[in-house]
Amino acid sequence: EAGVAQSPRYKIIEKRQSVAFWCNPISGHATLYWYQQILGQGPKLLIQFQNNGVVDDSQLPKDRFSAERLKGVDSTLKIQPAKLEDSAVYLCASSLGPPWDEQYFGPGTRLTVT
Amino acid sequence: GQQVMQIPQYQHVQEGEDFTTYCNSSTTLSNIQWYKQRPGGHPVFLIQLVKSGEVKKQKRLTFQFGEAKKNSSLHITATQTTDVGTYFCAGHGAGGSYIPTFGRGTSLIVHP
Repeated sequence: EAGVAQSPRYKIIEKRQSVAFWCNPISGHATLYWYQQILGQGPKLLIQFQNNGVVDDSQLPKDRFSAERLKGVDSTLKIQPAKLEDSAVYLCASSLGPPWDEQYFGPGTRLTVT
Repeated sequence: GQQVMQIPQYQHVQEGEDFTTYCNSSTTLSNIQWYKQRPGGHPVFLIQLVKSGEVKKQKRLTFQFGEAKKNSSLHITATQTTDVGTYFCAGHGAGGSYIPTFGRGTSLIVHP
């Protein structure tokens, strides 16, 4: 079974630029999560989808971050414009059924904002 | 909002010693999950606890969920160098909350 795929793996941008991350969850997984993990901290949930509907986006900075999951499969997370404090690893995860199922994480995208 | 605290932040042990990390929530949890993240890697699911007072074992790892469902622990017996990594707990609030809250993690360093 293929795991969660993410791209790119690394991205370096200047502040005020925009960036997009892509995630393809495990086939058949209904729930998809985007997390931000700052060095030395635990993953912080940004947004959670069940199929193509948003379950929770209360911690997503909506003035600069946006995410979509068209057709209930893959998803994109965008930052526009980026700030220095957005430097982090962005992790995508998926789970088979209810949101409290075990989560399978992708390798992450390491973003550096200079 | 819900907060999940983990202690200690770091733990250095000699290979063969035991290790324990503790997870405490500010609110009652419906379940708790444990994940392991190797250096440079991504979190990998270890186990989920759901019932009050539940204890589960995986080889040298023992997981407990407190009676009040507000705390949990992970204990590793006789650590090995392969146990190196950061261990995270993640809880869902009681009442059907869908939002998983992760602790800051405990980094385990095992000296051979």
